[in-house]
Amino acid sequence: EPEVTQTPSHQVTQMGQEVILRCVPISNHLYFYWYRQILGQKVEFLVSFYNNEISEKSEIFDDQFSVERPDGSNFTLKIRSTKLEDSAMYFCASSADPSTDTQYFGPGTRLTVL
Amino acid sequence: AQRVTQPEKLLSVFKGAPVELKCNYSYSGSPELFWYVQYSRQRLQLLLRHISRESIKGFTADLNKGETSFHLKKPFAQEEDSAMYYCALRRYNTDKLIFGTGTRLQVFP
Repeated sequence: EPEVTQTPSHQVTQMGQEVILRCVPISNHLYFYWYRQILGQKVEFLVSFYNNEISEKSEIFDDQFSVERPDGSNFTLKIRSTKLEDSAMYFCASSADPSTDTQYFGPGTRLTVL
Repeated sequence: AQRVTQPEKLLSVFKGAPVELKCNYSYSGSPELFWYVQYSRQRLQLLLRHISRESIKGFTADLNKGETSFHLKKPFAQEEDSAMYYCALRRYNTDKLIFGTGTRLQVFP
């Protein structure tokens, strides 16, 4: 069964550095998402992406965040200047059609900002 | 604002006992409700959604609009049901999932 994959599984970075989290959605899916989960807290929506543009974003998704689909397979989340409070598990998800299909989640990338 | 509340952080039962994981939501429109499950060291995966009205792995959930609840039930818990369970809501005309804080279910032998 096809799955969403994410790399790396764990990323450690210094405060102020840029990080890029990578995701490979399921190949025939057109809708892509990023969520995050700070330790001990709920899973929170960050952004949705369709047809090469952001379709919805949360208040968390400020100017330091950006998303991109640089080629036909990858979907990336860039955090420009990381802060301590960005430490979290970041989940990518994809869907064929959100009105009829579920969102399929990747295994997550644990980001630790020191 | 829309919110999903799961009042129990941890629910412990013995194998064969009934299970009910509570989920309440606040949303004035017509929501779509989901239960996601995360087994140990695995990814979040859909367990069931209210519009399908199916039973998956013996679990069922009924949307009660009057009580704004979507409780997850299973008559006889199994050890392999031990996992983290998340209730989630999707508003009309948006893709965004709003999650509850999750309930850890522990089923003892």
